[in-house]
Amino acid sequence: DAGVIQSPRHEVTEMGQEVTLRCKPISGHDYLFWYRQTMMRGLELLIYFNNNVPIDDSGMPEDRFSAKMPNASFSTLKIQPSEPRDSAVYFCASSSLPGTQAYEQYFGPGTRLTVT
Amino acid sequence: QKEVEQNSGPLSVPEGAIASLNCTYSDRGSQSFFWYRQYSGKSPELIMSIYSNGDKEDGRFTAQLNKASQYVSLLIRDSQPSDSATYLCAVRVGGATNKLIFGTGTLLAVQP
Repeated sequence: DAGVIQSPRHEVTEMGQEVTLRCKPISGHDYLFWYRQTMMRGLELLIYFNNNVPIDDSGMPEDRFSAKMPNASFSTLKIQPSEPRDSAVYFCASSSLPGTQAYEQYFGPGTRLTVT
Repeated sequence: QKEVEQNSGPLSVPEGAIASLNCTYSDRGSQSFFWYRQYSGKSPELIMSIYSNGDKEDGRFTAQLNKASQYVSLLIRDSQPSDSATYLCAVRVGGATNKLIFGTGTLLAVQP
């Protein structure tokens, strides 16, 4: 089975530009998570969805960040306008409802974002 | 604030030895615990999950959970150079949530 798919894998953009990161969760998974990882702050949860509905967005750093999940197989994380401090690796992860693999989250390969 | 604490390392062990990685957490209501392995430049990879007190073994890996002490550990037997990576401990916080809190990770270096 295909794992979590993210695109692009690398993104270099200039300050002030809009950036859109994309994620396709594992088929059948009901939860989708967006994380950001930096050396200074480690792995931080930004937002997560259950059945396409945002459940907890308390980790979204500010209004420049927004996330959507229009259907069960696609989510976007948008930064507008981008700033150099947004440079990080952004991961998407998915998991299924409680069961034999309760709450196990599986990560995509990540998008390495560099804002100059 | 709910926290997950790990020693950042590096933890250096010789090839063939047992590597012991430790993690403590602050939320007594936590019910689910996970260990992820992350190679440099790669994404976190789930290697173990544990939900009940005691030990859980999977190949060369053993996860140990002690809820009374709020402590979870990972033992890697017969350590190999390919085990060299950062190991992240993750805890699902208590209540009706699917949110994981991650530790900052322990860097393991297995010396050939």
